[in-house]
Amino acid sequence: DIQMTQSPSSLSASVGDRVTITCRASQSISSYLNWYQQKPGKAPKLLIYAASSLQSGVPSRFSGSGSGTDFTLTISSLQPEDFATYYCQQSYSTVFFGQGTKLEIK
Amino acid sequence: QVQLQESGPGLVKPSQTLSLTCTVSGGSISSGDYYWSWIRQPPGKGLEWIGYIYYSGSTYYNPSLKSRVTISVDTSKNQFSLKLSSVTAADTAVYYCARRPRAGHFDYWGQGTLVTVSS
Repeated sequence: DIQMTQSPSSLSASVGDRVTITCRASQSISSYLNWYQQKPGKAPKLLIYAASSLQSGVPSRFSGSGSGTDFTLTISSLQPEDFATYYCQQSYSTVFFGQGTKLEIK
Repeated sequence: QVQLQESGPGLVKPSQTLSLTCTVSGGSISSGDYYWSWIRQPPGKGLEWIGYIYYSGSTYYNPSLKSRVTISVDTSKNQFSLKLSSVTAADTAVYYCARRPRAGHFDYWGQGTLVTVSS
């Protein structure tokens, strides 16, 4: 199984900050990496697929990069609605999600 | 706009079988471009993929759950279903259905339904 490790597990930031969340795969997954945002009581929402493709309707302040084993999700300028939990997910083999990164207001 | 909606009992007794259905609207489940998926999330924890099905009936399951999981599809009703047998308290979770394009991400999700395993 290919395990996904996200870091940090939690993060405090302020509106307007640039934030980066990292996801590392236990072996190469090419670009088969996706990112989701989840707010309390809601279903996850797809943000980025195939490592760097922005899902339709998602604001351009969200971006993804990486390939192989190391990936990042960047929010260029945090907005109040961005405080949520973020998950990465590999789709190279048996589906696994990262453990999540909770983004909180500083 | 594709919409997915889970339905089924919110309470299941230990050792019994959990059964849920996902109804798809705004698109055909028989489209060859997608797999139809189940994902769950225990309270306060992360996401766990359960499995998915193609409209033809081909299934793919999480190896950790494979012995207890059956996913089926009813194209005439535009629905797919989940059965999880021999449940325990560890199976208490919000269960989501989702659409998976061939690229492997999950682009549309249902709102989720909480299933509690308790006597």
